[in-house]
Amino acid sequence: DTEVTQTPKHLVMGMTNKKSLKCEQHMGHRAMYWYKQKAKKPPELMFVYSYEKLSINESVPSRFSPECPNSSLLNLHLHALQPEDSALYLCASSQDKGWDLGVNEQFFGPGTRLTVL
Amino acid sequence: KQEVTQIPAALSVPEGENLVLNCSFTDSAIYNLQWFRQDPGKGLTSLLLIQSSQREQTSGRLNASLDKSSGRSTLYIAASQPGDSATYLCAVSPIQGGSEKLVFGKGTKLTVNP
Repeated sequence: DTEVTQTPKHLVMGMTNKKSLKCEQHMGHRAMYWYKQKAKKPPELMFVYSYEKLSINESVPSRFSPECPNSSLLNLHLHALQPEDSALYLCASSQDKGWDLGVNEQFFGPGTRLTVL
Repeated sequence: KQEVTQIPAALSVPEGENLVLNCSFTDSAIYNLQWFRQDPGKGLTSLLLIQSSQREQTSGRLNASLDKSSGRSTLYIAASQPGDSATYLCAVSPIQGGSEKLVFGKGTKLTVNP
């Protein structure tokens, strides 16, 4: 299984709502990532988990809260978002730091299209 | 700070043509370089990964080259097909900052006309 899955595919939420995005992989990867992508722009890294521990937070506002319950699952909890947070949210996974760094290939999921009203 | 540039921003070619997409990066201290394909509104599909010690990688009609010393990579697509229409993104994994980070270019939007 070389797939990263994300649910839901689409999400519409109000600024007072609380919602969660889910990502799953069964490739035995130990690093998982959240990216945000606005239209016609490249993906921007938000968070990295390595061995279920948060290793990188790219100064993301606290209204985004990541969680890694186990090595296969990654969640992104959303609360009090702003309309400018509307974007495609991409999850990715790769082998961890201990692996040959030259072949630390990232595999991406299909994304969740988020609209904040 | 590592910066990645992709030229051209958009490219339109007739079906069957061979084409080259360009990627340049400012710091040669990288672990690897990846080429991705992204269809509109979809996730990224990894096409090829070239390790810093390698010069090229091939997969089917795709061939990617890497000249680390000059900070350049090219993606060659042979006998292009309408199904190749997508945005192609180049990304490097910089040694500074750890291997987890990818620095992306802005992409080249390719249209292959039947």
